[in-house]
Amino acid sequence: DIQMTQSPSSLSASVGDRVTITCRASQGISNYLAWFQQKPGKAPKSLIYAASSLQSGVPSKFSGSGSGTDFTLTISSLQPEDFATYYCQQYHNYPLTFGGGTKVEIK
Amino acid sequence: EVQLVESGGGLVQPGGSLRLSCAVSGFTFSSYWMHWVRQAPGKGLVWVSRINSDGSSTTYADSVEGRFTISRDNAKNTLYLQMNSLRAEDTAVYYCARDFGTGATIPHYWGQGTLVTVSS
Repeated sequence: DIQMTQSPSSLSASVGDRVTITCRASQGISNYLAWFQQKPGKAPKSLIYAASSLQSGVPSKFSGSGSGTDFTLTISSLQPEDFATYYCQQYHNYPLTFGGGTKVEIK
Repeated sequence: EVQLVESGGGLVQPGGSLRLSCAVSGFTFSSYWMHWVRQAPGKGLVWVSRINSDGSSTTYADSVEGRFTISRDNAKNTLYLQMNSLRAEDTAVYYCARDFGTGATIPHYWGQGTLVTVSS
């Protein structure tokens, strides 16, 4: 199975900050990488696919990059509605696997 | 509007069985692969299973292979997950999700989830 490792596992940031989350795959996955946002008690929401393509309706403050084994999710200017847990997911191989999550909290 | 509504969760004893359902609307169900993903309390997301659009092909996580069965009824716009030989570690919120399509195997639209608790 492909292991997905996210860092950090949590971070504290202020409104307006630029935030970067990293995701590393245990083997090369090309660009078969998605990002999700999950708020407490809610279902995950798909943000990005193919490592850098924004899902329809997702604001452009979210961006993704990377290929192979190393990927990043960046939020350009953190807003109150962005405080949530973020997960990466590879879809290069079955089983589909998620990272452990990064909780973004208010400083 | 795409909607997915799970049902069938509840409390079950270890070794017991449960059948989850996911009723969908707002899209052509028979055109999309579907997934089940679970999340144990306070933990991360874990993919469980997927089924192709006509139900002829399925894939499972090792942890549920041989115990869980994913199926679908395209005439009823409903996805199912039959769960047998349940264990305490199967306790989780179970989400059904519609695949993104276009060749990207991504759980894209998600239901609100149904809680399964395995305990004596």
